[in-house]
Amino acid sequence: DAKTTQPPSMDCAEGRAANLPCNHSTISGNEYVYWYRQIHSQGPQYIIHGLKNNETNEMASLIITEDRKSSTLILPHATLRDTAVYYCIVRVVTGGSNYKLTFGKGTLLTVNP
Amino acid sequence: GAGVSQTPSNKVTEKGKYVELRCDPISGHTALYWYRQSLGQGPEFLIYFQGTGAADDSGLPNDRFFAVRPEGSVSTLKIQRTERGDSAVYLCASSTKAGVNSPLHFGNGTRLTVT
Repeated sequence: DAKTTQPPSMDCAEGRAANLPCNHSTISGNEYVYWYRQIHSQGPQYIIHGLKNNETNEMASLIITEDRKSSTLILPHATLRDTAVYYCIVRVVTGGSNYKLTFGKGTLLTVNP
Repeated sequence: GAGVSQTPSNKVTEKGKYVELRCDPISGHTALYWYRQSLGQGPEFLIYFQGTGAADDSGLPNDRFFAVRPEGSVSTLKIQRTERGDSAVYLCASSTKAGVNSPLHFGNGTRLTVT
């Protein structure tokens, strides 16, 4: 899987949008971008994924640049409960058996009151 | 609905002992994954099952680690002759099938402490 680069930490004010960047400059055409988050003492939680189009669900929006070398996860109105480590992962799409996710160290997002 | 369940939530054992960690995946999920997470690090892949068979066990660190899923549902991760370096949170995840559009759903893990 392609490597990703994320800032180690970010801060955001409660109620404001949180924009979390991710660089994946070596991404291949058959790799999806996945985002997970991990709240303290819990397992990782799936947020969203996409290939090349922007995606939105009830949790967040995912913006992928046209060249697919970077992406941004947007939490539109951050709350204190969004404080977590956010992981950006690229995952290969093949017909083979290797569907594992490879986690990096992620970004610790701290939402402040 | 019920999520991925892992038991026990905490396990303390002495160096050299044998331990078993259990994972109950979401009902109907055919793919099951084990990960290990050390303090301050992201989860590290151990093994992946598709049904009853281990499709990828490339992440198991050595032959002291073994996992089974005999009926294609519940899985057990087994660690022999535990060492202090095995202390970590062991996470289990499941998905509806092995595919890119099948997100992994994680349990809250078993915290293993080897004294």
